[in-house]
Amino acid sequence: QSVLTQPPSASGAPGQRVTISCFGSSSNIGSNTVNWYQQLPGTAPKLLIYSDNQRPSGVPDRFSGSKSGTSASLAISGLQSEDEADYYCATWDHSLNGWVFGGGTKLTVL
Amino acid sequence: QVQLVQSGAEVKKPGASVKVSCKTSGYIFTNYGISWVRQAPGQGLEWMGWVSAYNDNRNYAQKFQGRVTMTADTSTSTAYMELRSLRSDDTAVYYCVRDQGRFDPWGQGTLVTVSS
Repeated sequence: QSVLTQPPSASGAPGQRVTISCFGSSSNIGSNTVNWYQQLPGTAPKLLIYSDNQRPSGVPDRFSGSKSGTSASLAISGLQSEDEADYYCATWDHSLNGWVFGGGTKLTVL
Repeated sequence: QVQLVQSGAEVKKPGASVKVSCKTSGYIFTNYGISWVRQAPGQGLEWMGWVSAYNDNRNYAQKFQGRVTMTADTSTSTAYMELRSLRSDDTAVYYCVRDQGRFDPWGQGTLVTVSS
């Protein structure tokens, strides 16, 4: 049981926009910024979004993040086949004094 | 470029210990911490703990307290994670990550298999 709650799966057709949600609480998302990671099949995760809505160099602007209260979202516009991956949200939890992850969302491009 | 290169796969028997190394390059080692994250087969990501490469401070997830030791060797810019009293449910890929309030970049991962 993950501290952060994500839908296990999401899907969309090429070119469409999809959003992935991440629900937490006041001790984690409600008081800290959220990072998102993309894990392509068979590879190590990669930083996709940090500090709620910042993109590292090299990440396309098709990827965007937002946060409101105790929930966060990752949006992917102009969906492409290479976006098929697992996506994880993560943040610091003050009560646990450690990093916590969502359970991950498997994105399928139809 | 910043790189974290981990040691190779390990097979251990239940009750044994494993020590995974993470050789870093491309940045000032002591300016950042290193976190360790593991992923059981077909499962999600789990944070295990953090070690400061500056002053060797550590913060372990409660689940691993007493069973894990994380260290940072400044002479070789290498971080280590030792997990003791291995059980079958410790079978996972273990990742080291540079921790700067976000995990970037990640090592390639080390598969640790615990089997009798």
